[in-house]
Amino acid sequence: EAGVTQFPSHSVIEKGQTVTLRCDPISGHDNLYWYRRVMGKEIKFLLHFVKESKQDESGMPNNRFLAERTGGTYSTLKVQPAELEDSGVYFCASSQLTGTSGRDEQFFGPGTRLTVL
Amino acid sequence: DAKTTQPNSMESNEEEPVHLPCNHSTISGTDYIHWYRQLPSQGPEYVIHGLTSNVNNRMASLAIAEDRKSSTLILHRATLRDAAVYYCILNAGGTSYGKLTFGQGTILTVHP
Repeated sequence: EAGVTQFPSHSVIEKGQTVTLRCDPISGHDNLYWYRRVMGKEIKFLLHFVKESKQDESGMPNNRFLAERTGGTYSTLKVQPAELEDSGVYFCASSQLTGTSGRDEQFFGPGTRLTVL
Repeated sequence: DAKTTQPNSMESNEEEPVHLPCNHSTISGTDYIHWYRQLPSQGPEYVIHGLTSNVNNRMASLAIAEDRKSSTLILHRATLRDAAVYYCILNAGGTSYGKLTFGQGTILTVHP
């Protein structure tokens, strides 16, 4: 079974440009999450989809970030316009269980390393 | 989410057991205790989780204190591949059930 995949693995852009990151979750996983680690900081939650709906977007830093999950399959995270402080590693994760228990395990992708110059 | 406290770093020798502690004195009754680890240049990887009872799986064991205010992740025989950052995370469920709050974690070094 394929794991969570992310594309691209690396992206280097200039300040002010737009970048779109893609995540393909494990097949059949209704939950999809985005996290990021900026330089020297801890991994931070960004948002959580259940199918195509946003369950929790409390971690999205500002309106330059737009996440979508059309059709409840893959997800994209667009940063527009990118700023220097957006540099870091963006992780996607997926999980299978629905409901509100805290027992679900999340499967992470390898991450996309974003560098904004 | 309730806060966890872990040592910044620990060291072990290969093929020896490793006990990674975690304090979570403000844990609530519905908080699940999760452990993830992150190997160099990879995404976090689920290790184990539990609620009240001790748990075993192919990767590790989780020992939970009777009052649930602390837990210990046990790697029975450390290998070089176990060198990673280990995160102890509480998940309360509810409306934010998917939100994992990562702390600094414990950097585990395994010596050959």
